Amino acid sequence: DTGVSQDPRHKITKRGQNVTFRCDPISEHNRLYWYRQTLGQGPEFLTYFQNEAQLEKSRLLSDRFSAERPKGSFSTLEIQRTEQGDSAMYLCASSLVGTGSQNEQFFGPGTRLTVL
Amino acid sequence: KQEVTQIPAALSVPEGENLVLNCSFTDSAIYNLQWFRQDPGKGLTSLLLIQSSQREQTSGRLNASLDKSSGRSTLYIAASQPGDSATYLCAVRLRGGATNKLIFGTGTLLAVQP
Repeated sequence: DTGVSQDPRHKITKRGQNVTFRCDPISEHNRLYWYRQTLGQGPEFLTYFQNEAQLEKSRLLSDRFSAERPKGSFSTLEIQRTEQGDSAMYLCASSLVGTGSQNEQFFGPGTRLTVL
Repeated sequence: KQEVTQIPAALSVPEGENLVLNCSFTDSAIYNLQWFRQDPGKGLTSLLLIQSSQREQTSGRLNASLDKSSGRSTLYIAASQPGDSATYLCAVRLRGGATNKLIFGTGTLLAVQP
């Protein structure tokens, strides 16, 4: 499968614990995005990388959230001291740098986080 | 601030019917618009991408149109099938600056009855 992959697919944790999610983009894609989706809503942008550089962060990304893409390939999203309000689907997407249809973003299956 | 609205929020149609889903956005300075499909509990599948300079794109039974000046896009589904049942999301990417993020609507939940 050459699409975007995410791990784990589901995570249940207790409030106050730290969690880390991984995203592997489509292999030749140099842009990688993280979004968060709560029930009944559309995804909301969190952050994006071009290669290993984090170029944009949403105000939704509080200081408890950190994202990395150390080698410009896979990315991790860590949430520290989780809160019940962090319960959501975390979606990763990737795209090429370029024009036209190269900008099309392709999404992974998501990681469903439940904070008890 | 760009806002994306999708109407209706939910739609139920009998199999075989043609249907139109609507998407509107408040800022016409967009770079492109994408339509996605999302099955329950799953990620997003990209259906069509329309560049700001284009007026429509087609893929199989799907046709998406874009009227940038009025801030509207439609997704037309021909001869609907029960397998088309899903949530359909539209998203815009703004033109200008360094942003590449997509701004999503809240989606239209489609049910096609056999």
